[in-house]
Amino acid sequence: EVQLVESGGGLVQPGGSLRLSCAASGFTVNNNYMSWVRQAPGKGLEWVSIIYSGGDTYYADSVKVKFTISRDNSKNTLYLQMNSLRVEDTAVYYCARARRDVNNQYFFDYWGQGTLVTVSS
Amino acid sequence: QSVLTQPPSLSGAPGQRVTISCTGSSSSTGAGYDVHWYQQLPRTAPKLLIYGNSNRPSGVPERFSGSKSGTSASLTITGPQPEDEADYYCQSYDTSLGYWVFGGGTKLTVL
Repeated sequence: EVQLVESGGGLVQPGGSLRLSCAASGFTVNNNYMSWVRQAPGKGLEWVSIIYSGGDTYYADSVKVKFTISRDNSKNTLYLQMNSLRVEDTAVYYCARARRDVNNQYFFDYWGQGTLVTVSS
Repeated sequence: QSVLTQPPSLSGAPGQRVTISCTGSSSSTGAGYDVHWYQQLPRTAPKLLIYGNSNRPSGVPERFSGSKSGTSASLTITGPQPEDEADYYCQSYDTSLGYWVFGGGTKLTVL
């Protein structure tokens, strides 16, 4: 059974850093495309970052330079290192597995339960 | 302002048909990129509902269907049930931005 479990969220001051983890089971992280999606309180979903199976990484403009996505194959875990955090980064952060449809378009088939990051002084 | 436009809210009664629209642009849905749909029940994570415009993952009830034409896509719920009260999001890819995008979400109320 595929399962994704995020951790690492919490309260951090503006300008601070936090590292989120997403422990996967039921499949191998480094053989898949893995993504982070966030949701600000009362708002919609926002795609944040993706890491391809080959290791290429991509970011939304809003987090480029500040955030770094990575993985640990030995722990089958995905990470999101978040630096220079701002109030507007406050959100629930979900990790999700990306899959490809018949037209080679990517969608997110499994999601974790999310971890809340609150940036406030 | 989301790249994909959805109505903020809709309502429908069991026995009716509810359609949620998702409109993109020439750099997203109009460029041929597929649309995928997610259901988010209150206080839970999103769940995949439709992928590749019209495909249902196993376990998703047949009352949910999807379609796409040109720059717009639709999610139709035929005979919504009380348990379908949720937020629904469409998702695609935008070639101008170079990454994946979501609609702003539609809150469905079942009367």
